Formats: sequence, structure tokens, C-alpha cells
Amino acid sequence: AQRVTQPEKLLSVFKGAPVELKCNYSYSGSPELFWYVQYSRQRLQLLLRHISRESIKGFTADLNKGETSFHLKKPFAQEEDSAMYYCALKAGGGNKLTFGTGTQLKVEL
Amino acid sequence: GAVVSQHPSWVICKSGTSVKIECRSLDFQATTMFWYRQFPKQSLMLMATSNEGSKATYEQGVEKDKFLINHASLTLSTLTVTSAHPEDSSFYICSARDTLLNEQFFGPGTRLTVL
Repeated sequence: AQRVTQPEKLLSVFKGAPVELKCNYSYSGSPELFWYVQYSRQRLQLLLRHISRESIKGFTADLNKGETSFHLKKPFAQEEDSAMYYCALKAGGGNKLTFGTGTQLKVEL
Repeated sequence: GAVVSQHPSWVICKSGTSVKIECRSLDFQATTMFWYRQFPKQSLMLMATSNEGSKATYEQGVEKDKFLINHASLTLSTLTVTSAHPEDSSFYICSARDTLLNEQFFGPGTRLTVL
């Protein structure tokens, strides 16, 4: 069975500081990894997926199969980045998402 | 963009009654929808996968007779919480998979409170 671990419940950084939200996974096959974001009083939405290898809102995430990690990074945090971030895994060939417990990012001025 | 709606956004009911929650894909067809449950400050837990025209697939530990799922059309799935108890109080979220985009789009959630 697959599992997603986000070790930090809350991450607080100052505006302009680098951000790294950690995500580790456990899955024996070839996974597809995602980061979802939920802004205050809004629905969950896709931020980025590893297969796209793109930067969204300044965020990037690289899949490290050796370390089974998919950490989310941004070089300079902005106030509007404050939100709940969920890492999710989709097992190869399937459609179900397994979510981590989420990390609340708070960007302080 | 793809939009998923849920109705109602919140509901309060008495213990023992049944509550139906609707999930609609507004601008795309979804052969597959998902129902999640989220407890306060916790993650989303997948309850079941709803397949259009066939029976839902429930995750381990989820009572299918308690959480009835119907996916009668390509744009609508319903979750009925039968004989609700206070421990069923939670935030229920649905998502719909857009096959063309290969992406799940989430509804805003429904807050259920059972008294």
C-alpha cells in the first residue's frame, strides 16, 4: 500500500525567505506525485505534478526516487503563498490519490 | 476551467436521519468521481470511487451500506449518509476526474453536522 508523509504540520517563514515543504512517499511501483494547495476558504486545487516538470507560482518540486521524496520549493516566499499544502501520490496506472496530512505554510511579513 | 460543485455546502441533521450530498461536474463529463472525508486539521481520506453506470468501489473500512453512492450520469454523483450518527459529522469532499486533462478537480466540500 502507498503512503505519503509530510513531517511538518506548520511551517512559518518570513516574506522573501526560501521555502521547502517536505514530502516523502512509500510505494513499490512507479508513482505519480502531485502538490495540491488549499487557500483559506477555497477548494483544493492542483499546484503542480512531477511529470510536468514545470514551475507554478514560483514553486518547483523534483521527484527523487532514491530518497523517495518530492519536496516543494520556492526561493522567495510571498505573503499570498500562505495556505495549506498537500502532497499526493497516484499509483501507476490508477486514478486514486493518496494524500499526506498536509503542511500549513504561513508567510509572515 | 473545469468546475465541480457540491450541494449543500453545509447541512445539520438529527441522528438517525439520512442526508444526501450531490457532486456535479459543471463543464465536463466525469466517468469517475471520488468521495473523500476530512476531519479537522487532518488529511483527506478517500472513501470510495464512484463510477458512472456501475457500482462504487469502497475503500477498506468504509461501510457501503452506510455511505450509499450513486453515479447515474456523467455529471452527477451522490453520496447518501444513511442513519447518520454524530460520529459521521465531518467535511465531505468530492472530486471529478476530467479524462481529457487527466486531472481531478475538487468540489468545495460539504460540512455535515449530526446532532
